[in-house]
Amino acid sequence: DGGITQSPKYLFRKEGQNVTLSCEQNLNHDAMYWYRQDPGQGLRLIYYSQIVNDFQKGDIAEGYSVSREKKESFPLTVTSAQKNPTAFYLCASSGQGGYQPQHFGDGTRLSIL
Amino acid sequence: AQTVTQSQPEMSVQEAETVTLSCTYDTSESDYYLFWYKQPPSRQMILVIRQEAYKQQNATENRFSVNFQKAAKSFSLKISDSQLGDAAMYFCAYRSGGGGSNYKLTFGKGTLLTVNP
Repeated sequence: DGGITQSPKYLFRKEGQNVTLSCEQNLNHDAMYWYRQDPGQGLRLIYYSQIVNDFQKGDIAEGYSVSREKKESFPLTVTSAQKNPTAFYLCASSGQGGYQPQHFGDGTRLSIL
Repeated sequence: AQTVTQSQPEMSVQEAETVTLSCTYDTSESDYYLFWYKQPPSRQMILVIRQEAYKQQNATENRFSVNFQKAAKSFSLKISDSQLGDAAMYFCAYRSGGGGSNYKLTFGKGTLLTVNP
């Protein structure tokens, strides 16, 4: 079945460490997104990419980095500059056109050790 | 920038009854799309229903329907014949109708719906 796969499901980060969250989709979607979800905050956009080798900052990009070398993959790196990384991270993708909904992965829960 | 407001942090409904979740948004655009997503305890985000702003007819998907009031910038979700499986966090989301950077969604903070047996 087509879908979005996020891994790992749970991730722990030590102080000063960079960690990378994986997001892979086989829906042939051009656009991909990363969201952060904190309790009571809804979803906030970190980065998005509309095409391979191009991406834009969202509302809370500081302390994060991404790459889009392949259409299917959009990994997110949480750098040591992100001082409060504990959150639930969701990856999404969508096809062309505003009416196309975003499809979401199952998420990664990141915690600090 | 667009904003989405869900004024009800929590709602509850009896099984088989009807409940309405509120959503308002702020925009200066005339072309846009609105969505309701459901996030059950599994935390997977599931699309419930969507609406195109230029369509006057309210969208309906089985037991889920919307009341879209464009002038009032209101987009409420009605759940009929509520079931235990409807218990979840519900998010309202806005998407601009233009291309380019307007693919992104702006989400409200969510309404936690409890269904009582």
